[in-house]
Amino acid sequence: DAGITQSPRHKVTETGTPVTLRCHQTENHRYMYWYRQDPGHGLRLIHYSYGVKDTDKGEVSDGYSVSRSKTEDFLLTLESATSSQTSVYFCAISSLDGEAFFGQGTRLTVV
Amino acid sequence: QKEVEQDPGPLSVPEGAIVSLNCTYSNSAFQYFMWYRQYSRKGPELLMYTYSSGNKEDGRFTAQVDKSSKYISLFIRDSQPSDSATYLCAMKVTGGGNKLTFGTGTQLKVEL
Repeated sequence: DAGITQSPRHKVTETGTPVTLRCHQTENHRYMYWYRQDPGHGLRLIHYSYGVKDTDKGEVSDGYSVSRSKTEDFLLTLESATSSQTSVYFCAISSLDGEAFFGQGTRLTVV
Repeated sequence: QKEVEQDPGPLSVPEGAIVSLNCTYSNSAFQYFMWYRQYSRKGPELLMYTYSSGNKEDGRFTAQVDKSSKYISLFIRDSQPSDSATYLCAMKVTGGGNKLTFGTGTQLKVEL
């Protein structure tokens, strides 16, 4: 799995609670990404990082924040989870102009 | 209208058939084109990675890119039940943070 670990793999949380998902890589790649996957929408980019402390928004960033304090870790935070954020979340990594490799996903349910 | 359009299927074929999967796109700046395979409850895995127009072959898989028509294809020869999965096309521009734009995926089932 290209040295990508996502945690947790499954989570059920209540509406209004904060949630943090973690992506850890062992490949020393510069770029890291968070996508969400929903039926009928495919994979959509939430946020991405192009270096330590360098992040930018993607297509569906509202309600999400990210942090990257080390090359190997990229955190996705839902400040106050809503039912619309029930989804499968994938982390991906890539080198400059290289292929993107994906983690196994985190299945998040907001009740 | 989405930047990348992909028929969601499902597509069902008999074992041994040739499968054709397609995507169309509207952004002429896309230069890199990819196909990912995703098994149920797994992460996408990269199958093919091509730059600009042309063909690329890898075993039973052939990727074609026609930039003039804004159309890409993935052909699977001698399809096997193990090919049953969702196939996602993806593309990106040069630079731009390496961000991928995905199609919605085509669900393929290869039956014995």
